[in-house]
Amino acid sequence: LAKTTQPISMDSYEGQEVNITCSHNNIATNDYITWYQQFPSQGPRFIIQGYKTKVTNEVASLFIPADRKSSTLSLPRVSLSDTAVYYCLVGESGGYNKLIFGAGTRLAVHP
Amino acid sequence: NAGVTQTPKFQVLKTGQSMTLQCAQDMNHEYMSWYRQDPGMGLRLIHYSVGAGITDQGEVPNGYNVSRSTTEDFPLRLLSAAPSQTSVYFCASSSGTLQETQYFGPGTRLLVL
Repeated sequence: LAKTTQPISMDSYEGQEVNITCSHNNIATNDYITWYQQFPSQGPRFIIQGYKTKVTNEVASLFIPADRKSSTLSLPRVSLSDTAVYYCLVGESGGYNKLIFGAGTRLAVHP
Repeated sequence: NAGVTQTPKFQVLKTGQSMTLQCAQDMNHEYMSWYRQDPGMGLRLIHYSVGAGITDQGEVPNGYNVSRSTTEDFPLRLLSAAPSQTSVYFCASSSGTLQETQYFGPGTRLLVL
């Protein structure tokens, strides 16, 4: 199983761009990279998913270099409501999608 | 669509009691799973199912049983509750491949005294 490493916590201010990097050195060829967001007392919520290069949606962008050994979640112009825990997951190749959640990155956005 | 629903929202048990946490989804998803989340930690996979009649163990299966008799429901049974099982339990579902989004329920907060 591909293991991921993320910073434990980050601080930012409203209006700033936040970049959270995830390391996954032993990612497999068929693995996708997925990011989830979790607010207190709620289940995780899907943010974005990618395989290589760059993916963008209405919430975030995901940058994946050619070697795919890391990925960066970019949140543009964060607000207080973006305060949450962000999880980087790398999918197990071989058919069954047993997602392995690490401790995640606790992002605190300040006024 | 209600999505993924879980009941109860909160439960207090005494050590040794048994109970079933309910999970249901109305999206016709093949894949369902149960996670537990302890304070300040990520989610750990307990059991998962890739379809009706098929279940398998995750990272922390001891003390829990599951069954999948229908596509919609995936109950989690605690056979003899222990204080170490105090946690928040999340159920999730997806259409079946990693590339598909996992949808999580609101969670069940369990306290074992």
